[in-house]
Amino acid sequence: DIQMTQSPSSLSASVGDRVTITCRASQGITNSLAWYQQKPGKAPKLLLYAASRLETGVPSRFSGSGSGTAYTLTISSLQPEDFATYYCQQYYTTPYTFGQGTRLEIK
Amino acid sequence: EVQLVESGGVFIQPGGSLRLSCAASGFAFASFAMSWVRQTPGKGLEWVSTISESGSTYYADSVKGRFTVSRDTSKNTLYLQMNSLRAEDTAVYYCAKEARAYYFEYWGQGTLVTVSS
Repeated sequence: DIQMTQSPSSLSASVGDRVTITCRASQGITNSLAWYQQKPGKAPKLLLYAASRLETGVPSRFSGSGSGTAYTLTISSLQPEDFATYYCQQYYTTPYTFGQGTRLEIK
Repeated sequence: EVQLVESGGVFIQPGGSLRLSCAASGFAFASFAMSWVRQTPGKGLEWVSTISESGSTYYADSVKGRFTVSRDTSKNTLYLQMNSLRAEDTAVYYCAKEARAYYFEYWGQGTLVTVSS
């Protein structure tokens, strides 16, 4: 199975900050990576796919990059509604696997 | 508008059986792969099973041989038959519509399954 390791596991930041979350795969996944946002009591919501493609309707302050085994999610200027938990997921092969999540909290 | 509505989650004893349903609307249900993903506080998000548009099925090792995914295209409904349930199957179960490239494009609101004596 492909292991997905996210860092950090939690992060405190302020409105307006730029934040970056990293996701590392245990083997190459050729950009078959998605990022999801989850708020308490809600289902995950797709933000980006193919490592860097923004899902329709997602604000442009969210961006993704990376290749091979290392990928990043960047939020350029945090807004109050962005405080949530973020997950990466590889869909290169089954079993599809997720990172353990990064909880983004208000400083 | 795509809608996915899960149902069937209950409190059940170990060894029991349960069928979850996911009613889909707002898209051509028969033309997309559908999946089940579960979430526990301790293990985070875990992919459980996928059924392709052609009916091929795929399972996580943790549920293989115990869970069966199926779909009824006449009812636009996805199912997950869960047998020989264990305490570690306790989770919120989400159904998800896959995009053409296999990531999870839309998610339902989830249904809670609790396995405990």
